[in-house]
Amino acid sequence: DTGVSQNPRHKITKRGQNVTFRCDPISEHNRLYWYRQTLGQGPEFLTYFQNEAQLEKSRLLSDRFSAERPKGSFSTLEIQRTEQGDSAMYLCASSFSLREKLFFGSGTQLSVL
Amino acid sequence: DQQVKQNSPSLSVQEGRISILNCDYTNSMFDYFLWYKKYPAEGPTFLISISSIKDKNEDGRFTVFLNKSAKHLSLHIVPSQPGDSAVYFCAAGVGNEKLTFGTGTRLTIIP
Repeated sequence: DTGVSQNPRHKITKRGQNVTFRCDPISEHNRLYWYRQTLGQGPEFLTYFQNEAQLEKSRLLSDRFSAERPKGSFSTLEIQRTEQGDSAMYLCASSFSLREKLFFGSGTQLSVL
Repeated sequence: DQQVKQNSPSLSVQEGRISILNCDYTNSMFDYFLWYKKYPAEGPTFLISISSIKDKNEDGRFTVFLNKSAKHLSLHIVPSQPGDSAVYFCAAGVGNEKLTFGTGTRLTIIP
Protein backbone atom coordinates (compact mmCIF):
# COMPACT_ATOMS: atom_id res chain seq x y z
CA ASP A 1 0.00 0.00 0.00
CA THR A 2 1.84 3.05 -1.27
CA GLY A 3 -0.98 5.49 -0.62
CA VAL A 4 -2.59 7.91 -3.03
CA SER A 5 -0.05 9.47 -5.36
CA GLN A 6 -0.49 12.79 -7.16
CA ASN A 7 1.69 14.34 -9.82
CA PRO A 8 3.00 16.92 -10.18
CA ARG A 9 3.26 18.30 -6.65
CA HIS A 10 3.51 21.84 -7.94
CA LYS A 11 2.50 23.43 -11.22
CA ILE A 12 3.05 27.02 -12.27
CA THR A 13 1.41 28.09 -15.49
CA LYS A 14 0.45 31.20 -17.36
CA ARG A 15 -3.15 32.25 -17.72
CA GLY A 16 -4.75 30.66 -20.76
CA GLN A 17 -2.59 27.54 -20.75
CA ASN A 18 -3.93 24.00 -20.28
CA VAL A 19 -2.78 21.83 -17.39
CA THR A 20 -3.29 18.18 -16.53
CA PHE A 21 -2.89 16.50 -13.16
CA ARG A 22 -2.64 12.80 -12.46
CA CYS A 23 -3.84 10.77 -9.50
CA ASP A 24 -2.97 7.15 -8.76
CA PRO A 25 -5.31 5.81 -6.07
CA ILE A 26 -4.66 2.96 -3.68
CA SER A 27 -4.81 -0.07 -5.95
CA GLU A 28 -7.83 -1.89 -4.53
CA HIS A 29 -9.92 1.28 -4.13
CA ASN A 30 -12.75 1.61 -6.64
CA ARG A 31 -13.91 5.07 -5.64
CA LEU A 32 -11.86 8.11 -6.58
CA TYR A 33 -12.58 11.74 -5.69
CA TRP A 34 -11.24 15.13 -6.72
CA TYR A 35 -11.39 18.07 -4.32
CA ARG A 36 -10.08 21.60 -4.52
CA GLN A 37 -8.81 23.63 -1.58
CA THR A 38 -8.10 27.34 -1.50
CA LEU A 39 -6.40 29.27 1.27
CA GLY A 40 -8.44 29.44 4.45
CA GLN A 41 -11.08 27.04 3.17
CA GLY A 42 -11.74 23.36 3.56
CA PRO A 43 -11.56 20.97 0.60
CA GLU A 44 -14.47 21.42 -1.82
CA PHE A 45 -15.88 18.47 -3.73
CA LEU A 46 -15.38 18.54 -7.50
CA THR A 47 -16.23 15.09 -8.83
CA TYR A 48 -16.03 11.40 -8.12
CA PHE A 49 -15.74 8.08 -9.91
CA GLN A 50 -16.78 4.60 -9.10
CA ASN A 51 -14.47 2.46 -11.19
CA GLU A 52 -14.42 4.19 -14.59
CA ALA A 53 -17.86 5.80 -14.24
CA GLN A 54 -17.99 9.48 -13.31
CA LEU A 55 -21.00 9.56 -11.01
CA GLU A 56 -21.26 13.19 -10.00
CA LYS A 57 -19.82 16.57 -10.87
CA SER A 58 -20.05 19.65 -8.71
CA ARG A 59 -21.30 22.91 -10.17
CA LEU A 60 -17.81 24.17 -9.29
CA LEU A 61 -16.54 22.09 -12.21
CA SER A 62 -16.99 24.44 -15.13
CA ASP A 63 -16.81 23.40 -18.79
CA ARG A 64 -13.07 24.12 -18.71
CA PHE A 65 -12.56 21.22 -16.32
CA SER A 66 -12.66 17.57 -17.35
CA ALA A 67 -11.81 14.46 -15.40
CA GLU A 68 -11.32 10.93 -16.61
CA ARG A 69 -10.57 7.58 -15.09
CA PRO A 70 -9.87 5.17 -17.94
CA LYS A 71 -10.12 1.51 -16.97
CA GLY A 72 -10.96 2.47 -13.41
CA SER A 73 -7.35 2.91 -12.41
CA PHE A 74 -5.54 6.27 -12.39
CA SER A 75 -7.41 9.51 -13.00
CA THR A 76 -6.55 12.76 -14.73
CA LEU A 77 -7.97 16.22 -14.16
CA GLU A 78 -7.50 18.69 -17.00
CA ILE A 79 -8.09 22.41 -16.81
CA GLN A 80 -8.29 24.23 -20.13
CA ARG A 81 -7.62 27.94 -20.58
CA THR A 82 -6.56 28.39 -16.97
CA GLU A 83 -7.62 31.50 -15.08
CA GLN A 84 -6.07 33.06 -11.99
CA GLY A 85 -9.08 31.92 -9.98
CA ASP A 86 -8.08 28.32 -10.68
CA SER A 87 -5.07 28.71 -8.40
CA ALA A 88 -5.61 26.21 -5.60
CA MET A 89 -4.52 22.90 -4.16
CA TYR A 90 -6.12 20.04 -6.09
CA LEU A 91 -6.58 16.98 -3.92
CA CYS A 92 -7.32 13.45 -4.97
CA ALA A 93 -8.74 10.85 -2.59
CA SER A 94 -9.77 7.23 -2.86
CA SER A 95 -11.78 4.77 -0.84
CA PHE A 96 -12.63 1.10 -1.04
CA SER A 97 -16.38 1.59 -0.87
CA LEU A 98 -19.17 3.76 0.45
CA ARG A 99 -18.79 4.50 4.16
CA GLU A 100 -15.08 3.80 4.06
CA LYS A 101 -12.85 6.70 4.95
CA LEU A 102 -11.17 8.68 2.20
CA PHE A 103 -7.42 8.50 1.83
CA PHE A 104 -6.02 11.72 0.39
CA GLY A 105 -2.95 12.32 -1.68
CA SER A 106 -0.56 15.20 -1.00
CA GLY A 107 -2.20 17.31 -3.65
CA THR A 108 -1.09 19.35 -6.65
CA GLN A 109 -0.57 23.04 -5.92
CA LEU A 110 -1.53 25.05 -9.01
CA SER A 111 -0.44 28.64 -9.43
CA VAL A 112 -1.80 30.54 -12.43
CA LEU A 113 0.17 33.70 -13.19
CA ASP B 1 -24.31 28.08 1.98
CA GLN B 2 -21.84 26.70 4.50
CA GLN B 3 -23.38 23.42 5.62
CA VAL B 4 -20.48 22.53 7.90
CA LYS B 5 -19.09 25.26 10.11
CA GLN B 6 -16.03 25.49 12.28
CA ASN B 7 -16.39 28.83 13.99
CA SER B 8 -12.99 28.88 15.66
CA PRO B 9 -10.24 29.49 13.12
CA SER B 10 -7.55 28.85 15.72
CA LEU B 11 -7.03 27.32 19.14
CA SER B 12 -4.00 27.23 21.44
CA VAL B 13 -3.70 24.62 24.18
CA GLN B 14 -1.01 23.80 26.70
CA GLU B 15 0.74 20.49 26.20
CA GLY B 16 -0.86 17.79 28.35
CA ARG B 17 -4.21 19.54 28.56
CA ILE B 18 -7.40 18.73 26.67
CA SER B 19 -8.03 20.18 23.21
CA ILE B 20 -11.67 20.55 22.20
CA LEU B 21 -12.50 21.35 18.60
CA ASN B 22 -16.07 22.13 17.62
CA CYS B 23 -18.13 21.74 14.48
CA ASP B 24 -21.74 22.60 13.62
CA TYR B 25 -23.75 21.42 10.65
CA THR B 26 -27.06 22.43 9.14
CA ASN B 27 -28.00 19.52 6.86
CA SER B 28 -30.07 17.00 8.83
CA MET B 29 -29.47 14.43 6.07
CA PHE B 30 -25.82 14.04 7.07
CA ASP B 31 -25.34 10.66 8.67
CA TYR B 32 -21.59 10.21 8.67
CA PHE B 33 -19.05 12.55 10.22
CA LEU B 34 -15.28 12.55 10.14
CA TRP B 35 -12.34 14.52 11.43
CA TYR B 36 -9.25 15.01 9.32
CA LYS B 37 -5.90 16.47 10.31
CA LYS B 38 -3.74 18.39 7.87
CA TYR B 39 -0.11 19.41 8.01
CA PRO B 40 1.25 22.08 5.62
CA ALA B 41 1.94 20.86 2.07
CA GLU B 42 0.29 17.51 2.77
CA GLY B 43 -3.16 16.11 2.09
CA PRO B 44 -5.66 15.65 4.92
CA THR B 45 -5.18 12.52 7.03
CA PHE B 46 -8.16 10.67 8.48
CA LEU B 47 -8.38 10.83 12.25
CA ILE B 48 -11.70 9.48 13.48
CA SER B 49 -15.30 9.09 12.34
CA ILE B 50 -18.74 8.62 13.77
CA SER B 51 -22.01 7.41 12.37
CA SER B 52 -25.24 9.20 13.22
CA ILE B 53 -26.47 6.13 15.09
CA LYS B 54 -23.82 6.74 17.74
CA ASP B 55 -23.13 9.65 20.03
CA LYS B 56 -19.52 8.86 20.89
CA ASN B 57 -16.54 7.17 19.35
CA GLU B 58 -13.10 6.78 20.88
CA ASP B 59 -9.73 5.95 19.42
CA GLY B 60 -6.82 6.31 21.79
CA ARG B 61 -6.37 9.97 22.72
CA PHE B 62 -9.13 11.04 20.32
CA THR B 63 -12.85 11.05 21.08
CA VAL B 64 -15.61 12.40 18.88
CA PHE B 65 -18.97 13.35 20.34
CA LEU B 66 -22.10 13.83 18.26
CA ASN B 67 -25.19 15.73 19.42
CA LYS B 68 -27.74 15.24 16.66
CA SER B 69 -30.44 17.39 18.21
CA ALA B 70 -28.03 20.33 18.34
CA LYS B 71 -26.38 19.38 15.01
CA HIS B 72 -23.04 19.65 16.74
CA LEU B 73 -19.97 17.50 17.00
CA SER B 74 -16.74 17.91 18.83
CA LEU B 75 -13.31 16.33 18.85
CA HIS B 76 -11.51 15.90 22.15
CA ILE B 77 -7.78 15.25 22.24
CA VAL B 78 -6.36 14.29 25.60
CA PRO B 79 -3.61 14.66 26.51
CA SER B 80 -2.56 17.12 23.83
CA GLN B 81 0.94 16.64 22.38
CA PRO B 82 3.14 18.97 20.29
CA GLY B 83 2.68 16.69 17.27
CA ASP B 84 -1.04 17.43 17.38
CA SER B 85 -0.36 20.95 16.10
CA ALA B 86 -2.08 21.02 12.70
CA VAL B 87 -5.24 22.17 10.98
CA TYR B 88 -8.27 20.04 11.82
CA PHE B 89 -11.18 19.71 9.43
CA CYS B 90 -14.61 18.45 10.27
CA ALA B 91 -16.40 16.72 7.39
CA ALA B 92 -19.90 15.36 6.92
CA GLY B 93 -21.70 13.36 4.30
CA VAL B 94 -24.57 11.12 3.45
CA GLY B 95 -22.78 7.81 3.62
CA ASN B 96 -19.36 8.72 2.36
CA GLU B 97 -20.60 10.55 -0.69
CA LYS B 98 -19.00 13.88 -1.59
CA LEU B 99 -18.00 14.91 1.88
CA THR B 100 -18.64 18.53 2.85
CA PHE B 101 -15.76 20.00 4.83
CA GLY B 102 -15.64 22.84 7.31
CA THR B 103 -13.12 25.66 7.00
CA GLY B 104 -10.77 24.16 9.56
CA THR B 105 -9.36 25.03 12.98
CA ARG B 106 -5.65 25.57 13.42
CA LEU B 107 -4.60 23.88 16.67
CA THR B 108 -1.35 24.94 18.29
CA ILE B 109 -0.03 22.95 21.22
CA ILE B 110 2.19 25.05 23.46
CA PRO B 111 5.06 23.10 25.08
